[in-house]
Amino acid sequence: DAGVTQSPTHLIKTRGQQVTLRCSPKSGHDTVSWYQQALGQGPQFIFQYYEEEERQRGNFPDRFSGHQFPNYSSELNVNALLLGDSALYLCASSDTGQAGYTFGSGTRLTVV
Amino acid sequence: AQTVTQSQPEMSVQEAETVTLSCTYDTSESDYYLFWYKQPPSRQMILVIRQEAYKQQNATENRFSVNFQKAAKSFSLKISDSQLGDAAMYFCAYRSPGGSNYKLTFGKGTLLTVNP
Repeated sequence: DAGVTQSPTHLIKTRGQQVTLRCSPKSGHDTVSWYQQALGQGPQFIFQYYEEEERQRGNFPDRFSGHQFPNYSSELNVNALLLGDSALYLCASSDTGQAGYTFGSGTRLTVV
Repeated sequence: AQTVTQSQPEMSVQEAETVTLSCTYDTSESDYYLFWYKQPPSRQMILVIRQEAYKQQNATENRFSVNFQKAAKSFSLKISDSQLGDAAMYFCAYRSPGGSNYKLTFGKGTLLTVNP
């Protein structure tokens, strides 16, 4: 039973560029959340997708957007990258009604 | 808004000994979920243990147990018979019961070192 799969594992981008990160949820899960984890900090909630719609959003600018596909996989897009966007981006999935989440290993984004 | 505080940036323990990691939280809700997650160098956040606030009994998972003090808003993690593989960052997290708030709120973490 595959867990949460994220791609790519590492990524280097230049300021001002755009990036897309991908997440495949655990089998049987229909809800996907994205978190940003800066170095030495706990993860911060970006948004959650359910039934292909953004269900809840954290305190992140509109440069951060997402999408969920009919197969429940999800993408996180970040436009106009800033140096401060450098972080580990974690995807977490769950089944509707579950309180806990299963996390992937993340994508390490470095903006130079 | 809910907040989670982990006051111990780093802790160390000898192999086979017991260690307790502290977590406090602030909320006005009466029902919620609390979690401890482990993040090893592989970066994946792994669920260690979960506690529902309405349950008075403290959760236990093998060598891991919690001391949940609802009135004090305290949720500490006890690791017994520590093993080298327990070395990792440990995060305490809070989640509302649902409705319109689904996010996990994390503390800043405690780095646990296990000495052989």
